[in-house]
Amino acid sequence: DTEVTQTPKHLVMGMTNKKSLKCEQHMGHRAMYWYKQKAKKPPELMFVYSYEKLSINESVPSRFSPECPNSSLLNLHLHALQPEDSALYLCASSQDGLAGLGEQYFGPGTRLTVT
Amino acid sequence: DAKTTQPNSMESNEEEPVHLPCNHSTISGTDYIHWYRQLPSQGPEYVIHGLTSNVNNRMASLAIAEDRKSSTLILHRATLRDAAVYYCILRDVYTGNQFYFGTGTSLTVIP
Repeated sequence: DTEVTQTPKHLVMGMTNKKSLKCEQHMGHRAMYWYKQKAKKPPELMFVYSYEKLSINESVPSRFSPECPNSSLLNLHLHALQPEDSALYLCASSQDGLAGLGEQYFGPGTRLTVT
Repeated sequence: DAKTTQPNSMESNEEEPVHLPCNHSTISGTDYIHWYRQLPSQGPEYVIHGLTSNVNNRMASLAIAEDRKSSTLILHRATLRDAAVYYCILRDVYTGNQFYFGTGTSLTVIP
């Protein structure tokens, strides 16, 4: 099983809502990632978890709150988002914990619209 | 972080070879060259990677210049399913989890 799953596929939320994005992998990978992708732009790294600990935060606003409850699961909690946060949110995983060059496996993404 | 430069777009005829260039003049000795592609409405997927020597796999070939300041991804026979955005990415062996995409090349395959 080389699949990264993301739920929901689509999400529409108001600026005062709280919602969560979920990502799951069962490949035994020790690193998991969140990326944000605006239309016609490349993905931008947001967070990296290594061995269930946050190792990289690319200066992401606090209205985005990541969580890694276990080695297979990654959440992104959303609160008080702005319309400019509307984007495709991609999750990925790789075997390597801290560094290395292992292939990253990406999920299909969650299309988020903030109204 | 070392940067990559790619053409914004390229076209290829179906069943013809495609050469996708990437410049990375500030590459360091510990940077590996990775290629990913993103098909429409999908997440990116790994294509190939290399350090100094040319590499082949079932999807593509990677040709790396002797000075490592440029590389070329080669699709031997383009199909309509190869229409995607192709990203050339440098990954340092020590900080490989810091994964930064360049602007990529949008490949159109003409039937």
